[in-house]
Amino acid sequence: GAVVSQHPSRVICKSGTSVKIECRSLDFQATTMFWYRQFPKQSLMLMATSNEGSKATYEQGVEKDKFLINHASLTLSTLTVTSAHPEDSSFYICSARWATGEKLFFGSGTQLSVL
Amino acid sequence: GDSVTQMEGPVTLSEEAFLTINCTYTATGYPSLFWYVQYPGEGLQLLLKATKADDKGSNKGFEATYRKETTSFHLEKGSVQVSDSAVYFCALNSGGYNKLIFGAGTRLAVHP
Repeated sequence: GAVVSQHPSRVICKSGTSVKIECRSLDFQATTMFWYRQFPKQSLMLMATSNEGSKATYEQGVEKDKFLINHASLTLSTLTVTSAHPEDSSFYICSARWATGEKLFFGSGTQLSVL
Repeated sequence: GDSVTQMEGPVTLSEEAFLTINCTYTATGYPSLFWYVQYPGEGLQLLLKATKADDKGSNKGFEATYRKETTSFHLEKGSVQVSDSAVYFCALNSGGYNKLIFGAGTRLAVHP
């Protein structure tokens, strides 16, 4: 089946630094990618949807200037958490699908801890 | 808004035990319902789905029936194996396939 690779799997950073998370579709062209966030014991929440070559669409309450999403190619989307703070500590997951496909393929997630 | 509630884990079972993971939902309209599974170190994978009331999704021995009257989609398996140890997520789609709304996930640990 299709594979989505997400890196890093775990990152620890100091408050105020920026962190970039990569999401790659390894064997298909992902025209649409999604980014989710999960706080402990809470639901996986959709943060934003990105289509290749265009600006991401953010869900209500998600700060677009803080969570920068780039989807410059059909196989790569990145999420940059800018000026990270402890409250941004969370589990981030990406998913991808191709143009006419219904199925979503998920990365294995990134655990971000901000000290 | 739409939401999914699933039982809190972890659920710990012995091999060959019967499994139920409860999932209830709140939604306007008629959503499709899903169960996803995440094995250690891997991405979420679609386990099964049901698109309308009374549909039963099944895969790998797991089953779930879309119950509109009780707004539930409980996951069941008659005899679990150690290899079923994973985190299970119940989800619904809202406003199109893009908008998956997930529950918090339930960790299952199966011991020999």
